[in-house]
This record gives sequence, structure tokens and C-alpha cells, in this order.
Amino acid sequence: NAGVTQTPKFQVLKTGQSMTLQCAQDMNHEYMSWYRQDPGMGLRLIHYSVGAGITDQGEVPNGYNVSRSTTEDFPLRLLSAAPSQTSVYFCASSYGAGVTDTQYFGPGTRLTVL
Amino acid sequence: AQKVTQAQTEISVVEKEDVTLDCVYETRDTTYYLFWYKQPPSGELVFLIRRNSFDEQNEISGRYSWNFQKSTSSFNFTITASQVVDSAVYFCAVRTDSWGKLQFGAGTQVVVTP
Repeated sequence: NAGVTQTPKFQVLKTGQSMTLQCAQDMNHEYMSWYRQDPGMGLRLIHYSVGAGITDQGEVPNGYNVSRSTTEDFPLRLLSAAPSQTSVYFCASSYGAGVTDTQYFGPGTRLTVL
Repeated sequence: AQKVTQAQTEISVVEKEDVTLDCVYETRDTTYYLFWYKQPPSGELVFLIRRNSFDEQNEISGRYSWNFQKSTSSFNFTITASQVVDSAVYFCAVRTDSWGKLQFGAGTQVVVTP
């Protein structure tokens, strides 16, 4: 199993550009989520999905869109990048959305918006 | 809403010293899970431990041990006989609901010097 994979590893954007961060998992996990990590703030939840076709907002959803057309993939879209979106983005997955389910994280994407 | 406080921003120790990382959480839920993750310099997030709110037994795994005290809402983590490879940021997190949301603390940077 490759686990949770993310592409790209690094990305530089100009303000106003759009892009999609890719996330895939091969563990047949139903639950997937996106977090952003900023210095001194830990990780904050952006969006999550409890299964194909079902998504919901987390703590900091503004400026980001998601969709979940397959169990394996959960892309994160930035429609018009802003410098405030400079961050490290982590995708995570778990077998279910229950309290007991441990989330496993991808390697992260470091995004810089100029 | 839940909250996790990791009051120590950075801890520096010399190899073979013990180091304890503090984690204090707030939640109104009676059922919750506590987690510790390690983020080494390479950037990925590595799951270390999961603990449920009904199990206050301390846990030891090799040089790692965890002390869960419900009375003080704390879930502290000790590394015994630290090694340079323990240098990382360590995050404490709590999960209370069935929608998978993890609430992270700000993290504690551990620096182990030879």
C-alpha cells in the first residue's frame, strides 16, 4: 500500500491563480480530510468527506473547494489564490468517521502564494 | 467546541535526557479520543498513539510513555533517554464527534543535541 499520497510536494503560485492539490489513498478509507498547517497554530481542518459524493466544511473552508467523486481521491481546489493561503497542506484518511478511527496523513504540499 | 493547549513551544535537551511534553485539553463531551503525532524534519505526520476517554491506564511503548489524567484533562508524553532522532515537532490532538474532526494543539518542538 502506498498509503496517502499528495501531489505536488511544492508549489508556487501568483495571487489570483488557481490550482488543485491532489490527494489519493489506496486503503479503501471512507473518510478523507484536508488540513492546513501554519506556524504556531497546529493543523486546522479545511474540508472533509465521509464518503464518495459527501463533503462538508471544517474550521477554515473559505477560499477552498472540494469534491469526492471516488473513494480514492479527494482533491482540494484553490479558485483564486491569496497570500493568506501560503501554508503546508496535509491530506488525511481513516477507515471511518468514527471517534475511534485513527487518521493517517499524507506527506504534505508546501504552497507559497506570492 | 474542544481545545488543545501545548504550552511548551520548544524544549531543548541533551541526548539521553528525559523529556516530557505537556498537553491539556478542553471538551464538554464525555466520549473522546486523544492522539499524539510526530512531525520529523522531513515534514510528514506520524501517528504515535490513540487513547480513549474511558481508559486512564498509562501506556509505554519502548522509550515512549503517556500519562493520561482525566481529573486534570491532561495527556502528557514522555520520551525516556532521548535520542537525536527524536528531534521533531510533536502534536497533541483530540477528537470528540463522529465526523472525524481532529482538534490539534500548536505543537511542541523538541530539539535533542548530541
